[in-house]
Amino acid sequence: DTGVSQDPRHKITKRGQNVTFRCDPISEHNRLYWYRQTLGQGPEFLTYFQNEAQLEKSRLLSDRFSAERPKGSFSTLEIQRTEQGDSAMYLCASSFSTSGATDTQYFGPGTRLTVL
Amino acid sequence: GENVEQHPSTLSVQEGDSAVIKCTYSDSASNYFPWYKQELGKRPQLIIDIRSNVGEKKDQRIAVTLNKTAKHFSLHITETQPEDSAVYFCAALRGDNSGGSNYKLTFGKGTLLTVNP
Repeated sequence: DTGVSQDPRHKITKRGQNVTFRCDPISEHNRLYWYRQTLGQGPEFLTYFQNEAQLEKSRLLSDRFSAERPKGSFSTLEIQRTEQGDSAMYLCASSFSTSGATDTQYFGPGTRLTVL
Repeated sequence: GENVEQHPSTLSVQEGDSAVIKCTYSDSASNYFPWYKQELGKRPQLIIDIRSNVGEKKDQRIAVTLNKTAKHFSLHITETQPEDSAVYFCAALRGDNSGGSNYKLTFGKGTLLTVNP
């Protein structure tokens, strides 16, 4: 499968624990996005990378959240001191674009987080 | 920021009928409008998109229309089939060169389409 992949697919954790998710974009895609989706809602933007640079962060991304894309390939999203309100599907998307172009975003299968 | 409204929230049609889903957006600078289909427990999949320099785009049974003046766009599915049953999301994006930002998609809340055999 050459699409966007995410790991793990499901994560159950206790409140207060830290969790880390991984996203592997489509090979050679230079842009990578994280979104969060709760039941009955559309995905909401969290953050975005162009290569290894994190260029935008949503106000939804509290200081308990951190994302990295150290080599411009895969990305990790860490949530510290999880809260029940963090329970959601975390979706990763990637795209390829030259400067200024509007590009198609392809989504991964998501990581479903449940905080008990 | 951008706000996208999507209607209806649920839509039930008979197989073979047409289905229409409508979205409005608030940011007149938005210039890219994709539609995603999401089946239960699966990833959102792009089914069609339109850019602001065209008014209509068609791909087999699926078409999208865009009215920039009114800031609304619609998805049309003809000859619906049971496998079209899913949640459909519209989205808007303002892609430009301003500081490398504004490439985020803003989604509507989705439409649950049920096609009855």
